[in-house]
Amino acid sequence: QVQLQESGPGLVKPSETLSLTCAVSGYSISSGYYWGWIRQPPGKGLEWIGSIYHSGSTYYNPSLKSRVTISVDTSKNQFSLKLSSVTAADTAVYYCARVHSGSYEGDYWGQGTLVTVSS
Amino acid sequence: SYVLTQPPSVSVAPGKTARITCGGNNIGSKSVHWYQQKPGQAPVLVIYYDSDRPSGIPERFSGSNSGNTATLTISRVEAGDEADYYCQVWDSSSDHPGMVFGGGTKLTVL
Repeated sequence: QVQLQESGPGLVKPSETLSLTCAVSGYSISSGYYWGWIRQPPGKGLEWIGSIYHSGSTYYNPSLKSRVTISVDTSKNQFSLKLSSVTAADTAVYYCARVHSGSYEGDYWGQGTLVTVSS
Repeated sequence: SYVLTQPPSVSVAPGKTARITCGGNNIGSKSVHWYQQKPGQAPVLVIYYDSDRPSGIPERFSGSNSGNTATLTISRVEAGDEADYYCQVWDSSSDHPGMVFGGGTKLTVL
């Protein structure tokens, strides 16, 4: 059974960098698929942040691209998100997901982690 | 950028059929995926490739996609189907390909 688990600080100060990690179990990242980050502000809809292939190639949401870095560590079977210069608008539940290459649906998701941006 | 439009809410009585639409320019040429999200939980994939169901999803859930509209149909609606539903596509038509989500539809079971 594929499982994903997000981890990282739940509180980040404005202008600082948000850093999250998604640990994957039950499937080897290096075997394929894209691995993505999606967020959901409180009471709002889903917003795609970006995706990374096991080889390291990336796609980013153009509205966030200047602030986002997604990386993969196949040795630890995990991938990570960094979002710089955060503001209150970045407060959201952040999800990681396995994304099919070719059709790009997210078939397995983490439970999500709430990140609040506040001083 | 590509835009997906969903009605904010749909209401249906138990046992009836709910239809949730997802509009987009020539969406029929794209693969549409649907997610169910209950309060406090992560989204769950209920339909992929327009009309395929992942393992464990009841046959009551079905999908179609043609022209400018994709539709998620839930037959014999149950109280447990009450949730937010999101459509999603991969937009490869722009200079910045990526996942695009609709705004979501809240399904209320009366």
